[in-house]
Amino acid sequence: RKEVEQDPGPFNVPEGATVAFNCTYSNSASQSFFWYRQDCRKEPKLLMSVYSSGNEDGRFTAQLNRASQYISLLIRDSKLSDSATYLCVVNWGSGTYKYIFGTGTRLKVLA
Amino acid sequence: GAVVSQHPSWVICKSGTSVKIECRSLDFQATTMFWYRQFPKQSLMLMATSNEGSKATYEQGVEKDKFLINHASLTLSTLTVTSAHPEDSSFYICSAQAPGTSADTQYFGPGTRLTVL
Repeated sequence: RKEVEQDPGPFNVPEGATVAFNCTYSNSASQSFFWYRQDCRKEPKLLMSVYSSGNEDGRFTAQLNRASQYISLLIRDSKLSDSATYLCVVNWGSGTYKYIFGTGTRLKVLA
Repeated sequence: GAVVSQHPSWVICKSGTSVKIECRSLDFQATTMFWYRQFPKQSLMLMATSNEGSKATYEQGVEKDKFLINHASLTLSTLTVTSAHPEDSSFYICSAQAPGTSADTQYFGPGTRLTVL
């Protein structure tokens, strides 16, 4: 099993649609969780951290399920500018700050 | 916000030469920086953790004699790809932890695209 697993997509959705991505992780000792966004041939940029209680930032909502070891990202009212690869990132283990990246889920929002 | 720069942005070199990539934290001091590599259509893979004033910690499978890391100051870490070969062609990205933020928040540099002919 991969350490951090994501559906690579691509997800092709029309503008205004709601889309959800899931990510599973294998290490139950993982402490922190993030969603990053990566545009083609650019560096990843932090989209949001993921907290146990769930958190929302505008059109983006992130959820964490520790029992099932998965995190999710929901994007509402998709915009063309949301087209990118979304990377699930897990802080590996306790007391260490190594990021383990998923392979990313590619989203394409269509006009 | 925390800004990390990398130089050069892209480099093309001949097989067998060495290439040095710089990673700088511009507006903060970073005791820890990280080096990643990303091949096309793949995710970022952590290569090593670079700590200021001490030896880097390499991930399994990463040759420390081939990928030399130096973190001589709190704002600069360098990665030298020695005797580069075509299979080393990749996107190399560094990141740094910024003080005053959550301890596990990393800020990424813009990346260096290396092509070895």
